[in-house]
Amino acid sequence: EAGVTQFPSHSVIEKGQTVTLRCDPISGHDNLYWYRRVMGKEIKFLLHFVKESKQDESGMPNNRFLAERTGGTYSTLKVQPAELEDSGVYFCASSQDAWSGNTIYFGEGSWLTVV
Amino acid sequence: LAKTTQPISMDSYEGQEVNITCSHNNIATNDYITWYQQFPSQGPRFIIQGYKTKVTNEVASLFIPADRKSSTLSLPRVSLSDTAVYYCLVGLYGGSQGNLIFGKGTKLSVKP
Repeated sequence: EAGVTQFPSHSVIEKGQTVTLRCDPISGHDNLYWYRRVMGKEIKFLLHFVKESKQDESGMPNNRFLAERTGGTYSTLKVQPAELEDSGVYFCASSQDAWSGNTIYFGEGSWLTVV
Repeated sequence: LAKTTQPISMDSYEGQEVNITCSHNNIATNDYITWYQQFPSQGPRFIIQGYKTKVTNEVASLFIPADRKSSTLSLPRVSLSDTAVYYCLVGLYGGSQGNLIFGKGTKLSVKP
């Protein structure tokens, strides 16, 4: 069974440009999460989808970040325009259902460098 | 969401048993305890999860006392490949609440 896959694995863009990160969750997982770790900081929650709906987007840093999950399958996280402080690794994760104690599986991350 | 406290780093030698303890004094009734392992340049990998008492799988054991204010991850006979950062997370997750709080984790260094 395929795990959570993320694309691209690495991206280098200039300040002011746009980057779109994609996440394919494990098949059948309704819950999809985005996390990130910026330089020197801890891994932080960004948002949580249940199917195509945003369950919790309390961690989104500002309106330069837009997450979508059309059709409840894969998700994209767009950063527009990118700033230097957005550099870091963006993790996507997924879990199966709404019962407590269910395991959340993480992808390998998309490493973003803004120069 | 309960916060956790764990040692910043630990050293061990190959073949030894390693125990990493995590404090979570404000754990809520519905919270589960989960440990993740993370290697450099990779995403966190699920190790073990529990609610109370003891849980064991092929990788590790998790000991949770009756008051659930702490938990101990036990790695039997570590090898060099177990060198990684280990995170203790507490929360009601996997669905209705996915806001996991990652602390700094414990950086385990296994030496030959």
